[in-house]
Formats: sequence, C-alpha cells, structure tokens
Amino acid sequence: GAGVSQSPSNKVTEKGKDVELRCDPISGHTALYWYRQSLGQGLEFLIYFQGNSAPDKSGLPSDRFSAERTGGSVSTLTIQRTQQEDSAVYLCASSLVLVSDTQYFGPGTRLTVL
Amino acid sequence: GENVEQHPSTLSVQEGDSAVIKCTYSDSASNYFPWYKQELGKRPQLIIDIRSNVGEKKDQRIAVTLNKTAKHFSLHITETQPEDSAVYFCAAWGGADGLTFGKGTHLIIQP
Repeated sequence: GAGVSQSPSNKVTEKGKDVELRCDPISGHTALYWYRQSLGQGLEFLIYFQGNSAPDKSGLPSDRFSAERTGGSVSTLTIQRTQQEDSAVYLCASSLVLVSDTQYFGPGTRLTVL
Repeated sequence: GENVEQHPSTLSVQEGDSAVIKCTYSDSASNYFPWYKQELGKRPQLIIDIRSNVGEKKDQRIAVTLNKTAKHFSLHITETQPEDSAVYFCAAWGGADGLTFGKGTHLIIQP
C-alpha cells in the first residue's frame, strides 16, 4: 500500500518568510511524528500526534514552530519567520496506534533558508 | 528525557566480516528499540527492532541484542556486503517524547 508522503520534497525560501510542510501518513495510522535532520546529523524529535492531539510540544525548537493535524490524517508543520538555522530535512513518520509501534518514515522535505 | 549514545561514529570492515554497533540509553522505562538504515539522500528505513520483553532478535544476517539491566543494545551484521554501506541509527522510545535517536554510525564495507 501507499507509504508516508510529504510535500514539497524541496523548499527554498528567504529568511523571514513562513513555510508550511505537509505530511500524509499511512492510511489507518493514528500516530504521527515530525523529526528534523540537519546536514550530516542524527534525527531530532520535534512533536508527535496521537489522533489530532499533540500531548507534548516541548520538542519544538522555538515558538516559531507549530504543528497541527486534522481529521486524524494529514499534518502540517509551520515555521514562521524562517531563519538560516532552520535549514534541514524535515521527516514525518507514522505508526499504527501506539508511540512504540513501528514507525515508517516519509521521504522528507528539504528546507533551505537563504 | 531519554538520552541515547551510539558508538562508533564510523566503522570500516572488510566485506564478509561482521559489524557491531552499540547503543546505550538512560531511561529504564524505555521499552522499544528500533534500528534504522539511511542511505545517502534517502529516508531512514527500519531494518530491525526489539521490545523489552525479549533479549535477542534475528532476521537473516541482522541481529539485535538487548541488555535491560545494563541499558544497552547492539546491532550485529554478519557476512557484510557492499550494499550494507550506509548510516545506521539506533533509537529508544522513552515515553511521550517520541523516539530518541543516537547520532548514527557510518558503516563502510571495504571490498
């Protein structure tokens, strides 16, 4: 079946602009996660949703970052007033029900802030 | 929160030899430990995972061991092949924080 999809695959933006990244999880997966991977670095957890609720938003790097999920499916990660240090690959993953169920990753969105 | 340490950062082995990557974690409540393989420019792919109720799991040339007392887990790849070359990440689930990842091991298979 279809895997996790993300759009856009690449986004180049100017410093100070807002960007919106989209994630479509695997159909039927109720848990959804956002991670960030900077060049040559590991994966940094940002936020996860159980259904439409995010139990803990403390992993978001700053108040410029926000995320929402509607209908228990699509999620958007919004970065306001982008900074150069926001440049990274943003990865979305989903799992069936629990946080500890196997997570499947999307292809990522490569964000470049000029 | 959870803290995961991964070693080594780079590992070079001869084709056909075995490779071992080790991780430690800090949160004794963690109970799910996946390993991901990431090839250059591609998404992480789950290769094997283990839950805290077992000590070892095998899948063909790949095995993972878990020592809950010592809070460490290891990935073992036998009979390494060129296509095993990639960055490998361990991770631990420590509750509401999602997965906490190690910093990765760059595995190089020498022909």
